[in-house]
Amino acid sequence: EVQLVESGGGLVQPGGSLRLSCAASGFTFSNYSMNWVRQAPGKGLEWVSYISNSSSTIYYADSVKGRFTISRGNAKNSLYLQMNSLRAEDTALYYCARGAGKSHLFDYWGQGTLVTVSS
Amino acid sequence: EIVMTQSPATLSVSPGERATLSCRASQSVSSNLAWYQQKPGQAPRLLIYGASTRATGIPARFSGSGSGTEFTLTISSLQSEDFAVYYCQHYNNWPPPPWTFGQGTKVEIK
Repeated sequence: EVQLVESGGGLVQPGGSLRLSCAASGFTFSNYSMNWVRQAPGKGLEWVSYISNSSSTIYYADSVKGRFTISRGNAKNSLYLQMNSLRAEDTALYYCARGAGKSHLFDYWGQGTLVTVSS
Repeated sequence: EIVMTQSPATLSVSPGERATLSCRASQSVSSNLAWYQQKPGQAPRLLIYGASTRATGIPARFSGSGSGTEFTLTISSLQSEDFAVYYCQHYNNWPPPPWTFGQGTKVEIK
């Protein structure tokens, strides 16, 4: 059974940093691209970042480019999101989502970890 | 950036009735269109990909159609567990990301 479990969320002040993690199990992690998708409270879904299976290709949404860094550790079956210079508008539930094959749709999602940016 | 627009924002439907949800892309995405279902307090779940292919375990009452810029998700006979928010998402390889979602359609009990 595919499982994705996020952790690392919490309350942080504007300008602060946070590192999210996603532990994957139930599939060969190194064969799949991974993504972070976020959802602000009461709002819709926003794709945040993509990393290919080998980390050779990385993309970011313009809203986080230069502030967030995605990475992965295939030996640890883990995905990460380093978030710096956090803003109030980054407040959201952050999901990790598996990429489906070679396409950029998301076939499995974790339950999310909540990031709140507030003073 | 491709903009995805869903309509209506809210759809009120009685159990057993048919629901039709629309999604429009600002430029052609071919058939690179997915639908997700999200229930309160839960993560999104993939329903449809390739505009019309049901994901694993998705009941046959869910069907998708369309290509290019106009897409439809149809739920043939609404069950109680189908009341949720539905999002469309394009995953076209061009232009480069972002891979954007529509703003969602909430299907509520009439």
